[in-house]
Amino acid sequence: GQNIDQPTEMTATEGAIVQINCTYQTSGFNGLFWYQQHAGEAPTFLSYNVLDGLEEKGRFSSFLSRSKGYSYLLLKELQMKDSASYLCAENQAGTALIFGKGTTLSVSS
Amino acid sequence: DTAVSQTPKYLVTQMGNDKSIKCEQNLGHDTMYWYKQDSKKFLKIMFSYNNKELIINETVPNRFSPKSPDKAHLNLHINSLELGDSAVYFCASSQDLSANEKLFFGSGTQLSVL
Repeated sequence: GQNIDQPTEMTATEGAIVQINCTYQTSGFNGLFWYQQHAGEAPTFLSYNVLDGLEEKGRFSSFLSRSKGYSYLLLKELQMKDSASYLCAENQAGTALIFGKGTTLSVSS
Repeated sequence: DTAVSQTPKYLVTQMGNDKSIKCEQNLGHDTMYWYKQDSKKFLKIMFSYNNKELIINETVPNRFSPKSPDKAHLNLHINSLELGDSAVYFCASSQDLSANEKLFFGSGTQLSVL
């Protein structure tokens, strides 16, 4: 994606906590989304941040720092079904949602 | 009922052919999109329509022509298919153009050009 950077791959074990980082372009910033995409399926919405701070939704939380152009997705109590790609996406003024290249998370037992 | 449906799910065709992918949403949304996801899983915006009007055209070759007969439909026609067009094409919709509106994706069309 245009100036959206996230790690390509991560691995973790069941029950663990994993943090997926994302940095993005700050000019024209209009909101930050996280999507989950299982292999062969469509992306599905996980979270949205536009103000600084942490948004918690069950096992998943998302954090945003606007001044640093930084976000992370925190996944707790990992389960095998959490194995998927996690896409960071920025809404920039005047454009559609711009996606990063995604982080493939593999959860093992 | 599927919220965003696109057909076909798989499309295998020869270079040089012309093909279409159809997309319909029953969510009452105003805005629809086409995204292309390549083999490296990079999801890239192609087009965006709002109430049948083209809003975004992201330097896509003019072999690709979107058509929106009404705000519930956004079809994609591709002329003279090339090998590099092989990808998964996702249709999506959102309530409107507001920055906080999440996208709802269709299940994707896997296009293979031989």
